[in-house]
Formats: sequence, structure tokens, C-alpha cells
Amino acid sequence: NAGVMQNPRHLVRRRGQEARLRCSPMKGHSHVYWYRQLPEEGLKFMVYLQKENIIDESGMPKERFSAEFPKEGPSILRIQQVVRGDSAAYFCASSRTRTGANEQFFGPGTRLTVL
Amino acid sequence: AQTVTQSQPEMSVQEAETVTLSCTYDTSENNYYLFWYKQPPSRQMILVIRQEAYKQQNATENRFSVNFQKAAKSFSLKISDSQLGDTAMYFCAFLEISNFGNEKLTFGTGTRLTIIP
Repeated sequence: NAGVMQNPRHLVRRRGQEARLRCSPMKGHSHVYWYRQLPEEGLKFMVYLQKENIIDESGMPKERFSAEFPKEGPSILRIQQVVRGDSAAYFCASSRTRTGANEQFFGPGTRLTVL
Repeated sequence: AQTVTQSQPEMSVQEAETVTLSCTYDTSENNYYLFWYKQPPSRQMILVIRQEAYKQQNATENRFSVNFQKAAKSFSLKISDSQLGDTAMYFCAFLEISNFGNEKLTFGTGTRLTIIP
């Protein structure tokens, strides 16, 4: 059973470009979470999605950031008009059901560098 | 809002020794989970151990065990017989159990642990 897949692993963008980060949850998992890790810091929650629904986006910046988890295909985190401060590692996690008793399994992360 | 504090930015210990990493948290909730995650140089997040707040018994996973003090809101991780492969960043994390579906992990800032040969 493959783990959580994220691609690309490394992404370089120039200021003003768009970044698209993809996350394929583990098989049978319908809950996806996105976290951001700035250098030398812990992970910060961004958004929690179920299939076709955003459940909690309280950690998402109000502008330029959006996330989706369509019925078919991976979850996408989109960052429009990237700025240098967006440079970070972005982690996706998935769980089978609402967490608590069910572990959030993390992907390897996408390291975004904005030039 | 919940907060998680790890007061030890860095620690080092000789191989085979025991080391304890500290974590405190702040919450007004009664039902929650606590976790320790390991992040080696590969940056993969790996779950080390989990504790349910309603369980008084401390969780144990092989060489890893926790000291959970609910009243003091303390959740320390003890690594026994430390091995070189234990070298990593260790993050303490808190998960509130919500009826509204907010299942977000709140992480501490991490402790960088180095095992010295």
C-alpha cells in the first residue's frame, strides 16, 4: 500500500508565478490536511479537506492561497503570485476517517523555493 | 487556541544512553490526543508515539515511552538505549477532538536531538 504521495518534491518559482502542489492520499483515505513548515520551525496547519469539501481553512492566508480535493484525482494546494515569504516545505497528510484514533500519515513534502 | 511548547531547541546524548524530551501544552479541552513525531534529515514526518488524554496509563512503543501528566499539561518523551538512527528533529503535537470536524494538529517548535557515537 503506497504511502501519501506528493509532487513535485522540489519546486522553484519566480516571484509572481503560480505554484501548484499535489497530494495523493493513501488508498482508502478520504481526509486530507495541508501543513506548512518554515525553516527551523514546526509545522503549521493550513487546511483540512474531505472529498469535494473544505472543512477547516482557518490556517490559510486570506489571499493567493486556495486548496481543493476533487471527487477524482489528487488534492491541490495552489499559491498564486508567489512571494519570497512563501518559500517553505509544504506537507500533506491523510487519514482514513476523522483523526483521533486514526493516525494522520504524512507525505514527504514539497519544498518550494521562490526566487 | 491550543499552544504547544518545547523548551529544548537542541539536545545531544551518547549512544545507548537515555534521553528525555520535554513538552508542555495549553488547552481548555478535556478530550484530546498528544503525539510525538520524528523528522529525520529526509524530512519525512514519522509518528513515534500517541497518547489519548482519557487514558491514565502512559503509552509505550519499544524504546520510546511518555510521561503524561494531565493536570500539569506535560507530555515528555523518553528514549531508552538511544541509537544513531534516533538522530532527528522531534516534534510534540496536540490534537483536539471536536464535534465540528476541526482535526488539525498543533505542533511545537521542535527539539533537535543528536546521538553521539
